[in-house]
Amino acid sequence: GAVVSQHPSRVICKSGTSVKIECRSLDFQATTMFWYRQFPKQSLMLMATSNEGSKATYEQGVEKDKFLINHASLTLSTLTVTSAHPEDSSFYICSARPDGLAPQDGYTFGSGTRLTVV
Amino acid sequence: EDQVTQSPEALRLQEGESSSLNCSYTVSGLRGLFWYRQDPGKGPEFLFTLYSAGEEKEKERLKATLTKKESFLHITAPKPEDSATYLCAVPPGHGGSQGNLIFGKGTKLSVKP
Repeated sequence: GAVVSQHPSRVICKSGTSVKIECRSLDFQATTMFWYRQFPKQSLMLMATSNEGSKATYEQGVEKDKFLINHASLTLSTLTVTSAHPEDSSFYICSARPDGLAPQDGYTFGSGTRLTVV
Repeated sequence: EDQVTQSPEALRLQEGESSSLNCSYTVSGLRGLFWYRQDPGKGPEFLFTLYSAGEEKEKERLKATLTKKESFLHITAPKPEDSATYLCAVPPGHGGSQGNLIFGKGTKLSVKP
């Protein structure tokens, strides 16, 4: 089955530093990947849509200069949280669906990254 | 406004005690309703997609059903390993990629042996 690998699973960083999170599709190509954020006891909220070879599309209220997305290949998207602050602490999850696969087959999610900014 | 509401927020069951989880949705032109299971500290795991009212899908002890306004996830004779948060999601009604899913807050299910 389709597998999405997300790394790291946990990261603690100091306020003001940047953190990069990787999302890889291990056995399929994905032109489009998605980045979500989940706060405790809250819904997963879409942050941005990552498109291979083009600029990401950000949801309203998400700062594109703070959350940098790069989708350099059909199997890798990265999310960089720049100048992180404690309020950026959250659970970040990516998802992807193999190119050509029908929507009803569902999207595969990564295992998530727990970011803690101290 | 597109919206997904799940209830109850938390559900505690004894092993073998069947029950149902509810997902109410408001979206113009439903393009599918997804159920996921999420374990603590993990990403969601796909369970089912339902597309039309009256549709049902089953997987082991789980059965998902769909009406025009809500979906139910029925759990028959649950086991402790069914303990997880169950998420319901729909694509937004205004169009765009179906990868943009609107999630409910989930129902945290705990099954005690």
